[in-house]
Amino acid sequence: DADVTQTPRNRITKTGKRIMLECSQTKGHDRMYWYRQDPGLGLRLIYYSFDVKDINKGEISDGYSVSRQAQAKFSLSLESAIPNQTALYFCATSDWARNIQYFGAGTRLSVL
Amino acid sequence: AQTVTQSQPEMSVQEAETVTLSCTYDTSESDYYLFWYKQPPSRQMILVIRQEAYKQQNATENRFSVNFQKAAKSFSLKISDSQLGDAAMYFCAYNWAGNQFYFGTGTSLTVIP
Repeated sequence: DADVTQTPRNRITKTGKRIMLECSQTKGHDRMYWYRQDPGLGLRLIYYSFDVKDINKGEISDGYSVSRQAQAKFSLSLESAIPNQTALYFCATSDWARNIQYFGAGTRLSVL
Repeated sequence: AQTVTQSQPEMSVQEAETVTLSCTYDTSESDYYLFWYKQPPSRQMILVIRQEAYKQQNATENRFSVNFQKAAKSFSLKISDSQLGDAAMYFCAYNWAGNQFYFGTGTSLTVIP
């Protein structure tokens, strides 16, 4: 089983719909992240959390919200999806000792 | 603010040859971490190599090695004996003190048989 699991793998939704992307991890890491990847732009940070009570905005948080339900779970919500949120979304965790990020398999989201 | 720049959007290499991917970064910190990640068509992000800035020795992982030039803020990845499975998007990344990670825009590597 994957250490960092994202669900769903792919999702198509319509403009204005609320959608939640979920992430769970079995690595025991406190730090979790959400990124979006767009062609030519690399990975951009949406939100990150260093523990259950710590939530921080990243570079592109507008239009997104997150919830850290437990150490192992970090979900990303789009309250009212719009077409320019069509992208590949990654969840990641990191360990404080070696500062390595471990990624989920990604969620490809299309907003029509 | 920290930035990571990959100036080569696309690169190609003949199978069995050597290729070098470039990365520069901007920081005022002295102790930080640098990474290269590989993203094959499966879209999974895979760690290739990690460098600690306080270590002068360049990191090496099998056919992958880096040329870390701290004063020049340069961190290039050399792939030796290129294989078809090396074809992927490669991302350079920076991290300081366990805070945010900053990624470059990526270099798409094609391996020609």
